Amino acid sequence: AQSVTQPDIHITVSEGASLELRCNYSYGATPYLFWYVQSPGQGLQLLLKYFSGDTLVQGIKGFEAEFKRSQSSFNLRKPSVHWSDAAEYFCAVGARSGSSNTGKLIFGQGTTLQVKP
Amino acid sequence: KAGVTQTPRYLIKTRGQQVTLSCSPISGHRSVSWYQQTPGQGLQFLFEYFSETQRNKGNFPGRFSGRQFSNSRSEMNVSTLELGDSALYLCASSLGTIAGVSGDTQYFGPGTRLTVL
Repeated sequence: AQSVTQPDIHITVSEGASLELRCNYSYGATPYLFWYVQSPGQGLQLLLKYFSGDTLVQGIKGFEAEFKRSQSSFNLRKPSVHWSDAAEYFCAVGARSGSSNTGKLIFGQGTTLQVKP
Repeated sequence: KAGVTQTPRYLIKTRGQQVTLSCSPISGHRSVSWYQQTPGQGLQFLFEYFSETQRNKGNFPGRFSGRQFSNSRSEMNVSTLELGDSALYLCASSLGTIAGVSGDTQYFGPGTRLTVL
């Protein structure tokens, strides 16, 4: 079955500290992988995506993620967290165009990030 | 380019009523996907439309339906509302016509918050 697991429901880090949010997926084919961020009461903003090629991808706001096929993981990292990064983060997998699952993203349960001053 | 817009942003309905939500995709995008977000179930895929045709559907009852117009704008309808339908409904658009990075990346609107009393 296709699924995404974000093992950490809630993470608290101090401002300026590094951050890693974990994401593991189960997917039959090679998936597209995404990280989105959601502030309270808002929609989802795309942080970064992986489709193919270089397994380390850069995104907006200083975020990066590394795709590890052997571990079925796509962890999100940031070297120095800012107070404005406090939000909920979602990892998602999607199908390639032409597949039976076109247009469908499967999301993890989300990780809420709290930033301490 | 303007982003994905959703109207209305907030709705309050009572059980048994029906509701229609609207989504205008990013200009040039032909695929629109809908998601339901609740605290208990997280983000769940409802359906996806491309060129006025439903290409994919999630595991929701038939009370949930949608359509897409020739200008790619989409509506979703929920009939006979139940308390459990209270949620944030998100729509996302993508190019849908080009496989790979550009075509399959979904951009989300701000959502419609539906409350069923």
